[in-house]
Amino acid sequence: GAGVSQSPRYKVAKRGQDVALRCDPISGHVSLFWYQQALGQGPEFLTYFQNEAQLDKSGLPSDRFFAERPEGSVSTLKIQRTQQEDSAVYLCASSPLLTSAGTQYFGPGTRLLVL
Amino acid sequence: AQSVTQLGSHVSVSEGALVLLRCNYSSSVPPYLFWYVQYPNQGLQLLLKYTSAATLVKGINGFEAEFKKSETSFHLTKPSAHMSDAAEYFCAVSAPNTGTASKLTFGTGTRLQVTL
Repeated sequence: GAGVSQSPRYKVAKRGQDVALRCDPISGHVSLFWYQQALGQGPEFLTYFQNEAQLDKSGLPSDRFFAERPEGSVSTLKIQRTQQEDSAVYLCASSPLLTSAGTQYFGPGTRLLVL
Repeated sequence: AQSVTQLGSHVSVSEGALVLLRCNYSSSVPPYLFWYVQYPNQGLQLLLKYTSAATLVKGINGFEAEFKKSETSFHLTKPSAHMSDAAEYFCAVSAPNTGTASKLTFGTGTRLQVTL
């Protein structure tokens, strides 16, 4: 079946521009996560949704970062006034379970480069 | 708070040799532990996970890992490396029994190189 998809796969933005990154989770998965992966590092947690509710946004690095999942399916991560330090790969993951034992299935990521 | 430490950012083995990738965790309670593999320009794929059942966990592609509470370790092994195993490997931890899905905290990764 179809896995987690993300778009765009690559995004180049000028410093100060706003960007929107899309995640299509596996159908029926109630849990959705966003992670940020800097070059040469492991992914770092940004935010978590259970259906449409954003239950944890403790990892968002600043108020320029905003995420939503209005209908409990597709999610969008928005970054306002991008800065060079925002350059990273943004990974989306979904899980069918509401427990921490559930496998998270990752998308291919969106590589963001801010010039 | 939980954390994981992966010893060795780069590991090189010969094809057919034993693969050993090290992961140690820090947690106030026995956590759930995961190993993921990442191929270039791809997302992460789960290799195996420990969720408080059997301490020896078998995963895909011939990999396995053993949860050792006394050593706070969850090392990944494979008896015989194959060229296709060359990739980045990440150990991750999550809090157990939270009543909801929980974020993963990842290590910094180990790049495995397999040589002829």
